[in-house]
Formats: sequence, C-alpha cells, structure tokens
Amino acid sequence: EAQVTQNPRYLITVTGKKLTVTCSQNMNHEYMSWYRQDPGLGLRQIYYSMNVEVTDKGDVPEGYKVSRKEKRNFPLILESPSPNQTSLYFCASRSNSENYGYTFGSGTRLTVV
Amino acid sequence: AQSVTQLDSHVSVSEGTPVLLRCNYSSSYSPSLFWYVQHPNKGLQLLLKYTSAATLVKGINGFEAEFKKSETSFHLTKPSAHMSDAAEYFCVVSVAGTYKYIFGTGTRLKVLA
Repeated sequence: EAQVTQNPRYLITVTGKKLTVTCSQNMNHEYMSWYRQDPGLGLRQIYYSMNVEVTDKGDVPEGYKVSRKEKRNFPLILESPSPNQTSLYFCASRSNSENYGYTFGSGTRLTVV
Repeated sequence: AQSVTQLDSHVSVSEGTPVLLRCNYSSSYSPSLFWYVQHPNKGLQLLLKYTSAATLVKGINGFEAEFKKSETSFHLTKPSAHMSDAAEYFCVVSVAGTYKYIFGTGTRLKVLA
C-alpha cells in the first residue's frame, strides 16, 4: 500500500529535550515536506526537500532541522523544543510535478511542557 | 502573489441536503488547485484536483468542484450530504514555477441528522 508513515503518533516531552519525528514514504517520491497545523492557521510549511541531500526552509523553519540522506526518509528534528512548538505535525510526499497532490502521513501530535 | 481564502470557517448542513464549501484564490498564473479532506485524528486525503483541463472536476465520495477563472473561485459541492462527510476541508493552490503549496485555513463541515 502506498503510504507515508510517521512516528510517533503522539508525543509529550519537556522543554529542551531533543526529539526526532520520523517520516518514511514507499512511493519513490522526490519531494517531501513537513507541515504544522494549528487552529485557525491551516497548515504551514516548516521544511521541504526536493530530493536527496536537497532541503530548504518553508514558512516557519525556526527551531526545526531536517535531513534527507535517503529518498524514502525525511526526519524532523527539534533540537531544543519549546512550548510554542506544541502542534500537530504532518509529513507529506509527492512526485516532482506541480500537478500531483500530496500523500500525507497520519500526523504526530506533539505536546511540549 | 498566490493566496487562497476559504470564506467560511464552519458550515452546517442537514443530512441529505447539498453542500457548498467556498474557496477563492489569487494567482498571477493559471493555477493548480486542490481540495483535501481531514477526518478527525486522520491525515489529509486528496479529494480532487484542477490542473487546467476540464473546469468541472469530479472527486471521490461524490464531491465536485468548478474552476471559475472570472470569479477566481474553486468551490466544492456535493448534491447530498452524508454523516460521514463531517470533516475539515482544505482548499490548496500551487504556486506557479515552484513546488510550493498554499493551504487555506480550512472549513469545518458539520452534518446534522
């Protein structure tokens, strides 16, 4: 089954404790992206990657890091999480064509206390 | 610059009555437009997409949308609402010449029995 897999689904952590949210896709998609979803703000792009070793900032990159060492994986790293990073996070992938829609993961609900 | 506006944050309809979710876009070029649905505690699923072919686009679960260039609109409709349609719906425009998508802030659809 074609899918984007995120882990974990739920995570509660404390301020300052480094964490990684994993994302993996099995569709051989070139383009992968991380979004955060907050009430009333829709989805905002954090980082994206157009292919292996090619990453760039989205609209809200502060406090996040990513890497793309393999085509299928695109982890999101929070080096020192803060409460304002409490949010619902989605990983998504698609082929490198504007006309193709995203396939989304099921989301990771992160709470930073 | 490209943008997308969902005109209603909440819409309530009775089961069996028509659904209309409104979306206006702003784009300097001929855009690609999408509608996504998000059921509670789920990721986003692609409903339908417009990519400069037919202006009336049919999607999954009986939804359709009409691209109206003169009105810069891409409203989502369904003739008869079902309880399972209760979800949040996002209108999305792709930014011409880039791989960037811009999400609307979402419309939460409530279906009353």
